[in-house]
Amino acid sequence: GNSVTQMEGPVTLSEEAFLTINCTYTATGYPSLFWYVQYPGEGLQLLLKATKADDKGSNKGFEATYRKETTSFHLEKGSVQVSDSAVYFCALSGAYSGNTPLVFGKGTRLSVIA
Amino acid sequence: GAVVSQHPSRVICKSGTSVKIECRSLDFQATTMFWYRQFPKQSLMLMATSNEGSKATYEQGVEKDKFLINHASLTLSTLTVTSAHPEDSSFYICSATGQGSTYEQYFGPGTRLTVT
Repeated sequence: GNSVTQMEGPVTLSEEAFLTINCTYTATGYPSLFWYVQYPGEGLQLLLKATKADDKGSNKGFEATYRKETTSFHLEKGSVQVSDSAVYFCALSGAYSGNTPLVFGKGTRLSVIA
Repeated sequence: GAVVSQHPSRVICKSGTSVKIECRSLDFQATTMFWYRQFPKQSLMLMATSNEGSKATYEQGVEKDKFLINHASLTLSTLTVTSAHPEDSSFYICSATGQGSTYEQYFGPGTRLTVT
């Protein structure tokens, strides 16, 4: 079945540091890939997405590229801020529709200190 | 973006009682809602898929008689944990997607259930 593996946390960085959170997946066919963010006390929010190989999703300075050859979708940000502290989830959808449930990684907690 | 609410945000109940959790789409019609369960430091695990007007589809290992799901309208789905036990204590999250929606699900803020 489909699965997502992301790096274990927690990750602690100083403000303005470079962030990488690794995510690899196993899926049949051509999944859509997502990064969700969960701020303290809030629900999951879609951060970015990519629906086909070589697509790059980007939002709020974060970006991730759909790499089919390495089955990866690593999240990066060049300069993190304290406000980026949250839990980040990599996820995939096995179909081309929002009516399909998502398969999530375990989440990576990021703490950014001033 | 679209908003999904959950109520209550936290609930504590005694073992053997039942608890109902509501999931509402506030500004769109949700043809499909999903219920997930999240254990501490674990991923979200899909419990069931609920389509408006039809019976929910449960994932393997999820007891449908214990976790009753109703999706009676396009804006409301409920999850009832019947005869709750301490091992049912968890964080329950719903998500919703609208008609014709591609890719994106909108998530509620979650409900923390503690069974004593």
